[in-house]
Amino acid sequence: RKEVEQDPGPFNVPEGATVAFNCTYSNSASQSFFWYRQDCRKEPKLLMSVYSSGNEDGRFTAQLNRASQYISLLIRDSKLSDSATYLCVVNVLMFSGGYNKLIFGAGTRLAVHP
Amino acid sequence: DADVTQTPRNRITKTGKRIMLECSQTKGHDRMYWYRQDPGLGLRLIYYSFDVKDINKGEISDGYSVSRQAQAKFSLSLESAIPNQTALYFCATSDSERMDSQETQYFGPGTRLLVL
Repeated sequence: RKEVEQDPGPFNVPEGATVAFNCTYSNSASQSFFWYRQDCRKEPKLLMSVYSSGNEDGRFTAQLNRASQYISLLIRDSKLSDSATYLCVVNVLMFSGGYNKLIFGAGTRLAVHP
Repeated sequence: DADVTQTPRNRITKTGKRIMLECSQTKGHDRMYWYRQDPGLGLRLIYYSFDVKDINKGEISDGYSVSRQAQAKFSLSLESAIPNQTALYFCATSDSERMDSQETQYFGPGTRLLVL
């Protein structure tokens, strides 16, 4: 079982639609959570952190459910420029090394069409 | 100018050849990482370095080696390339000043490697 699982998609939506992505993680030592965005053939870039209370950044809303080990990303009023792959990322404390390690999901692809 | 740069951006090589991928950063971060990305898989950690004298294996280090020549430079070598090392390779950096769980990583543009 992968440590971070995402629906690979693709999600094909029209402009203006609302779309939601889900992610589950298996490591209970996970401390913090992020969504990264990766454009085709480009590097991943941090989109937003995910906090327990839920957080919003413009059209993007992230939610965390620690009990269910589940993370979500909601995009409202989709734009053509939102087309990308969205990576769910979990920061896990490695007790043996005393450091934090990022574990990446394989990503969910979003295609927004006119 | 980009904060994290990688060279080359694209490379085609043959089985058995030695190849080096280079990474440089101007962010002043002390932590550097090498990942590979394959279709359908998440980024997987090859090696990481917390400072010039500290180098550690990641989850898939077999067939790879690294060198941290300076705080700003971290090179990845494939001593004898094989076709299943064909992948997209990313270098990343992070700041140990943020020694908490909110530490995030900044990625270079990637090197696309094809081993024939």
